[in-house]
Amino acid sequence: AQSVTQLDSHVSVSEGTPVLLRCNYSSSYSPSLFWYVQHPNKGLQLLLKYTSAATLVKGINGFEAEFKKSETSFHLTKPSAHMSDAAEYFCVVSPTNDYKLSFGAGTTVTVRA
Amino acid sequence: GAGVSQSPSNKVTEKGKDVELRCDPISGHTALYWYRQSLGQGLEFLIYFQGNSAPDKSGLPSDRFSAERTGGSVSTLTIQRTQQEDSAVYLCASSWRHSSGRGETQYFGPGTRLLVL
Repeated sequence: AQSVTQLDSHVSVSEGTPVLLRCNYSSSYSPSLFWYVQHPNKGLQLLLKYTSAATLVKGINGFEAEFKKSETSFHLTKPSAHMSDAAEYFCVVSPTNDYKLSFGAGTTVTVRA
Repeated sequence: GAGVSQSPSNKVTEKGKDVELRCDPISGHTALYWYRQSLGQGLEFLIYFQGNSAPDKSGLPSDRFSAERTGGSVSTLTIQRTQQEDSAVYLCASSWRHSSGRGETQYFGPGTRLLVL
């Protein structure tokens, strides 16, 4: 079985400061991991994914995430937040050879001017 | 190219009525998924279609929910005798299914916001 825990339900940052969204997972097998973003009244957009290649994954809009097997973590970071980053972010795990995605509860990011 | 599209974008219905939600996947994608996003429940898997294989219906919450995929492309999710607890955003996703199933990316549509009064 697999599960995802997003450690913060809400993160508030000032524009231009770093963003850190924390995600821990549990999986019986080597998983694939994803971060999706959802802007208000929009669908889910893929930010980045990890599939057992490089442990540091770069995504769109300046986001990156690091897979740490020893810590079972896949935290999402961005060096400098922009107002357009205000959205809800989902950490998602997919076990090997399975199509079913397990979603975290989501982290809402607000960006202060 | 075009992404996943869903219609209607919003649907308001009365309790007890039937509703149909439509999903047009990305052309060429062999796999199609339905999810439900509701307050307090997060994102839940509902059903999965892959090619001509029997669909995985394990996530459907009750027998009032059904889905079909015609011609390996468009899919319709039907909710019969809607209840207020069916109010949610229904998201469709599609992917090109790798033989290993590993790491495939699911591309999501904008969703249908269903409100049952």
